[in-house]
Amino acid sequence: DAGVIQSPRHEVTEMGQEVTLRCKPISGHNSLFWYRQTMMRGLELLIYFNNNVPIDDSGMPEDRFSAKMPNASFSTLKIQPSEPRDSAVYFCASSPTGNTIYFGEGSWLTVV
Amino acid sequence: AQRVTQPEKLLSVFKGAPVELKCNYSYSGSPELFWYVQYSRQRLQLLLRHISRESIKGFTADLNKGETSFHLKKPFAQEEDSAMYYCALFFGNEKLTFGTGTRLTIIP
Repeated sequence: DAGVIQSPRHEVTEMGQEVTLRCKPISGHNSLFWYRQTMMRGLELLIYFNNNVPIDDSGMPEDRFSAKMPNASFSTLKIQPSEPRDSAVYFCASSPTGNTIYFGEGSWLTVV
Repeated sequence: AQRVTQPEKLLSVFKGAPVELKCNYSYSGSPELFWYVQYSRQRLQLLLRHISRESIKGFTADLNKGETSFHLKKPFAQEEDSAMYYCALFFGNEKLTFGTGTRLTIIP
């Protein structure tokens, strides 16, 4: 298995633009997680899905952030409009059971 | 509330010296605890979990329920151990909560 696949790996965008991050979880995994990593706040859970259904989105910072999982093999995290403080590494992760999480390589976002 | 605390943001240790990365947790139930490692610009990887009581790359971690701690230890640090280390707590049968991480630097 290729593991959790994220795209793009790197993105630089201007403030106000829409950003869409994509994730393909490991086949057969029931749970999918979106995390944000920054120097100041460490690793924060934004939202997670179980069987394609959003279970807990309490970590989503504000209405500018939205996440979808239309099917078991694809999820998106969208930021609209983007702001410089959204600059971070965004990790997608998937899990077969919930307690062992496999991470993607991350999407490095810079908003200027 | 469930919480994982890693008190040290940065830790520098000389090569060959012992390493201890601290992790404390607060959880009223039976915890499942993990250590994840992130090497420079790479994905997070599971290092070890307390239920398996294993040693990976020379690292061990013992769950101390009395002190609510799960410190990560290695007797002799190696340069390749330089990385970001995250302690994580699994609760509620649903999600993993991470600490803020400790950046370990091994000084040659």
